[in-house]
Amino acid sequence: AQSVSQHNHHVILSEAASLELGCNYSYGGTVNLFWYVQYPGQHLQLLLKYFSGDPLVKGIKGFEAEFIKSKFSFNLRKPSVQWSDTAEYFCGNFGNEKLTFGTGTRLTIIP
Amino acid sequence: DTGVSQDPRHKITKRGQNVTFRCDPISEHNRLYWYRQTLGQGPEFLTYFQNEAQLEKSRLLSDRFSAERPKGSFSTLEIQRTEQGDSAMYLCASSTSGSTDTQYFGPGTRLTVL
Repeated sequence: AQSVSQHNHHVILSEAASLELGCNYSYGGTVNLFWYVQYPGQHLQLLLKYFSGDPLVKGIKGFEAEFIKSKFSFNLRKPSVQWSDTAEYFCGNFGNEKLTFGTGTRLTIIP
Repeated sequence: DTGVSQDPRHKITKRGQNVTFRCDPISEHNRLYWYRQTLGQGPEFLTYFQNEAQLEKSRLLSDRFSAERPKGSFSTLEIQRTEQGDSAMYLCASSTSGSTDTQYFGPGTRLTVL
């Protein structure tokens, strides 16, 4: 069965700090990777996705993620975070007709 | 822009009662998914439909759970004889066909079983 691991459960940063959230996936033959974000009181929204091509993917709100096949990783990055980035972030891999999510990382940005 | 909607947003019920949730997907989307999310966890897949056909069910979906999508549009998820362990957020998502297509999520229905 596919699995997705997010090792950072809660990350606290000051505004303007750089961000990197880890995501590792189990090899399942296909790689269709997603990052979703859930702002407080809102529903899950897509940040970015990767299926093939350039392993560096740019998403909305200045986020990017890099697919590293040798490490089975798809880490999310942002060079300078804002208070409004406070949210929960979920990494997912689509395979066997379903999205498998990690447990999520809660990001708290201190003004 | 009409996104995915779910009704009700909150449901409090007593153990042993039946509950039914509704999901209205984005109109041109032929795939509809149900997920369950508990505190501190990511969404877990329950089942999905391609048009009106239910194509896969997770082993998480016990016999007390049933889902329908009668005309390939809205879907319902029913839980019979609810248990306290059923307390969770139930999420619905829709997409066009294909693994590369984005799933758009609704706001969820939060179920509390007393």
